[in-house]
Amino acid sequence: DAKTTQPNSMESNEEEPVHLPCNHSTISGTDYIHWYRQLPSQGPEYVIHGLTSNVNNRMASLAIAEDRKSSTLILHRATLRDAAVYYCILSANSKLTFGKGITLSVRP
Amino acid sequence: DAGVTQSPTHLIKTRGQQVTLRCSPKSGHDTVSWYQQALGQGPQFIFQYYEEEERQRGNFPDRFSGHQFPNYSSELNVNALLLGDSALYLCASSPGTFNQPQHFGDGTRLSIL
Repeated sequence: DAKTTQPNSMESNEEEPVHLPCNHSTISGTDYIHWYRQLPSQGPEYVIHGLTSNVNNRMASLAIAEDRKSSTLILHRATLRDAAVYYCILSANSKLTFGKGITLSVRP
Repeated sequence: DAGVTQSPTHLIKTRGQQVTLRCSPKSGHDTVSWYQQALGQGPQFIFQYYEEEERQRGNFPDRFSGHQFPNYSSELNVNALLLGDSALYLCASSPGTFNQPQHFGDGTRLSIL
């Protein structure tokens, strides 16, 4: 399974944008980039996924580098409820291989 | 529309025992995956069921087995429990095609004494 690299943690201020980076230099042509997040005491929650083009949904935006070796999850206005562990995952099928993720803290 | 439901929410067993965990997928989903999450770690893929067959399997021993029923619900069975099996067990459901969003339940917390 192709591997992703994320910082361990990041802090942001409430109502400001947040950019969460992910490196995946060994990505293959069939790998989709998935982002999930996990709030304390809950199961993971789907955030967004994409293959080559940038993607937007009601939760976030996903910016994918032209060479696909990195991507950035963008939360446009962080809220306290966005404090969670965010996982960047590569998958060519429905098997998700989670790493340790990045812990996002949001300051009021 | 109910999401993924898992039962029980908590369970305590002793070493050597066997356990069965249950999962009902989100309405309209026919694929169920199981994950194990140790404390402080990300979830680890155990296996996935589609059309009542195991479609993919992670790096888990044969003590871990599963089943999917015609209504798409699923069970995870673990035999000969070890202390290291203590973890949060998560079930996720999705449509049958690959790379669709997976919907997770809140898991079963299994403690082995």
